[in-house]
Amino acid sequence: GNSVTQMEGPVTLSEEAFLTINCTYTATGYPSLFWYVQYPGEGLQLLLKATKADDKGSNKGFEATYRKETTSFHLEKGSVQVSDSAVYFCALSDRGGSEKLVFGKGTKLTVNP
Amino acid sequence: ETGVTQSPTHLIKTRGQQVTLRCSSQSGHNTVSWYQQALGQGPQFIFQYYREEENGRGNFPPRFSGLQFPNYSSELNVNALELDDSALYLCASSGDPGYEQYFGPGTRLTVT
Repeated sequence: GNSVTQMEGPVTLSEEAFLTINCTYTATGYPSLFWYVQYPGEGLQLLLKATKADDKGSNKGFEATYRKETTSFHLEKGSVQVSDSAVYFCALSDRGGSEKLVFGKGTKLTVNP
Repeated sequence: ETGVTQSPTHLIKTRGQQVTLRCSSQSGHNTVSWYQQALGQGPQFIFQYYREEENGRGNFPPRFSGLQFPNYSSELNVNALELDDSALYLCASSGDPGYEQYFGPGTRLTVT
């Protein structure tokens, strides 16, 4: 079945450091890809998405490019802030009618001042 | 416009009991999906309701059941609770299956 693998955390960075969180996927067909963020005590918020190969999703300084050849969707940000501290989830939509989301296990990011 | 809301926020139940969790979808949304998020894990799809009919189910036993009402709000029922059912239960609504899913804050269920 479809699955998502993302780098294990936790990841600890200093403010203004460069962030990369790796995500690879296994899927039949051409799923849409997503990054969700979960702040402490809250539900999930969509951070960015890409619906086809070579699409780049971007939001709030975060970027990820849908790479079909490497089945990857790595999340990057050039300069992280303390407020970016959260858990980040990579996900794909399973094009089986319900378009259910299949999530990775999440990567906890802590940014220190 | 009101977002997705869930009730209750927290719940403690005893093994073997039954529980009902509730979700109010965002205005204009006719599709509700439920996910279980165990501690330290990513959310796992339980099932989806579209216009009051089940529209897909994940790998969960039949003691997990759901309902969607004419106003598109939804319930998740879990019978014969087990310790492993302790998790954060997330509800997400969307305009249609395949549209962007908007998540509620979740219900934290603890089974003792």
